[in-house]
Amino acid sequence: GENVEQHPSTLSVQEGDSAVIKCTYSDSASNYFPWYKQELGKRPQLIIDIRSNVGEKKDQRIAVTLNKTAKHFSLHITETQPEDSAVYFCAALTGGGNKLTFGTGTQLKVEL
Amino acid sequence: GAVVSQHPSWVICKSGTSVKIECRSLDFQATTMFWYRQFPKQSLMLMATSNEGSKATYEQGVEKDKFLINHASLTLSTLTVTSAHPEDSSFYICSARDQGGEKLFFGSGTQLSVL
Repeated sequence: GENVEQHPSTLSVQEGDSAVIKCTYSDSASNYFPWYKQELGKRPQLIIDIRSNVGEKKDQRIAVTLNKTAKHFSLHITETQPEDSAVYFCAALTGGGNKLTFGTGTQLKVEL
Repeated sequence: GAVVSQHPSWVICKSGTSVKIECRSLDFQATTMFWYRQFPKQSLMLMATSNEGSKATYEQGVEKDKFLINHASLTLSTLTVTSAHPEDSSFYICSARDQGGEKLFFGSGTQLSVL
């Protein structure tokens, strides 16, 4: 089955700096890669996603890049703010498009 | 985005009792819903895929007789934790995709504490 690895597990940055979280996946058939932000005790919120036919996607301060050949994708957050502090999960859609496998999560802390 | 409602948000029960959690898609029809379990500071682990009108598909290691799933309509799936034990204490989250879509929308989660 699909295996999604995510690094780093924790990330601390100064306000205004950029944050980068990286994920790799194993199933070459995966074709959809969403990123979720989860605050403590709350539901995961979709913040950005990318399909396998696109190499990069940007939405204001958030961007995602995908390298299908290397089977890795990354989340980039620029001009970080304290409210960006949360756990971020990457995921890959596999199993014939029916199963979403999550990475292990990254605890991002933005310090003042 | 689509709205998925989940109830209750938290429940405390005695060991040996059963707990039912409901997941509803409010503004779309969901032929497939997913149930995840999340332990503190860990990732979301898929427990089972709930298919409307048919049996759920369970992931390896998940006991189907302990975690009963019913998906009787296109907008409602339920998860019943039978004979709950303290080790079943966890955050349970449901999710759904609207028909033909890729985006997954999550319920608000249920924090289960078994005493």
